[in-house]
Amino acid sequence: GNSVTQMEGPVTLSEEAFLTINCTYTATGYPSLFWYVQYPGEGLQLLLKATKADDKGSNKGFEATYRKETTSFHLEKGSVQVSDSAVYFCALNYGGATNKLIFGTGTLLAVQP
Amino acid sequence: NAGVTQTPKFQVLKTGQSMTLQCAQDMNHNSMYWYRQDPGMGLRLIYYSASEGTTDKGEVPNGYNVSRLNKREFSLRLESAAPSQTSVYFCASARDTETQYFGPGTRLLVL
Repeated sequence: GNSVTQMEGPVTLSEEAFLTINCTYTATGYPSLFWYVQYPGEGLQLLLKATKADDKGSNKGFEATYRKETTSFHLEKGSVQVSDSAVYFCALNYGGATNKLIFGTGTLLAVQP
Repeated sequence: NAGVTQTPKFQVLKTGQSMTLQCAQDMNHNSMYWYRQDPGMGLRLIYYSASEGTTDKGEVPNGYNVSRLNKREFSLRLESAAPSQTSVYFCASARDTETQYFGPGTRLLVL
């Protein structure tokens, strides 16, 4: 079946450090992949997405590349800020046109000044 | 634009009580979704609606019913609440571009 596995947190970094949050998936076909971010007390918002193999999604300094050969979609940022502290969710669209998403368990990122 | 709104923000129920969670969107989206978020489990899809007048089950539909009242509104009903339904509930909507837009959530505690 379809599933998403992402690294457990919390991830604690100092400001300006490099960030990687690992995400791997299992799916039939070639689903679209997403990273959503949830700031404290808020709903989720889309951070970036990629719809086919080798696509790179990017936004706000974050990047992730859709790697079909390793079934991965790792999130990276070169220099994190305190304002990046949030929970990050990797997700895949398993429902095609119905846009049904499967989410990973989320990774809490805490950035210290 | 308010985006996706949910009411109430917080609710406490006793086991066996019923309640309806309300969701509305003003983005003219066709698709709407209800998720629950539990610690260590991410978000799981309860029900979704691809268009006005249609609904379908997601991963965890047991104990819930939904109504797509019109294009804007999608409600989630708990007929007889159980402690296992203590969770944070999120509503989301989407057009055809796969991006889902989420509401702020409803925190439900069932005693």
